[in-house]
Amino acid sequence: EVQLVESGGGLVQPGGSLRLSCAASGFTFSTYSMNWVRQAPGKGLEWVSYITNGGSTTYYADSVKGRFTISRDNAKSSLYLQMNSLRDEDTAVYYCTRDRIMGQWGQGTLVTVSS
Amino acid sequence: DVVMTQSPLSLPVTLGQPASISCSSSQSLVSSDGNTYLNWFQQRPGQSPRRLIYKVSNRESGVPDRFSGSGSGTDFTLKISRVEPEDVGVYYCMQGTHWPPLTFGGGTKVEIK
Repeated sequence: EVQLVESGGGLVQPGGSLRLSCAASGFTFSTYSMNWVRQAPGKGLEWVSYITNGGSTTYYADSVKGRFTISRDNAKSSLYLQMNSLRDEDTAVYYCTRDRIMGQWGQGTLVTVSS
Repeated sequence: DVVMTQSPLSLPVTLGQPASISCSSSQSLVSSDGNTYLNWFQQRPGQSPRRLIYKVSNRESGVPDRFSGSGSGTDFTLKISRVEPEDVGVYYCMQGTHWPPLTFGGGTKVEIK
């Protein structure tokens, strides 16, 4: 069974940092590209970042470019999102999703940016 | 960036009756490889989204056949032939042809009358 399990969310002050993780299982992680997608409270879905299966290519939404960094460790079947200079508007549930057309989603982890 | 526009915003439906959600894109979603990367997702209350339909009309494994996707170019439709109680939730379309960024529609909330 394919599973994506996010962790690392929590409460952080504006300007702070947080690192999210996504543990993958049930499939050959190293053969799939991955994404982070977020959903602000009561709002719709917003794509955040993408990484190729080998990690050599990454893309970011303009809203997070220069502040967030996506990475992966294929040996650990894990995906990461380093979030720096966090703002109030980054408050959201963050989901990791498999491949460009998002065939699988995790349960999400809540990030709250507030003073 | 490709803008995805869904309608209606809210869709009250009677159990057992059909429902239809529209999604339009600001430019054609036909890719240079000939595919059209238009997906539909369902998000039930309190749950993560799940993919229902990929590449316009391909149903995900395990998705009931009362769900169907159609369309081409810039106009797409998700239809539910007979709405069941478990179909309540928010539905999103998403394009993966012209990216980055990958872009979602604003969502359509399906509720029972």
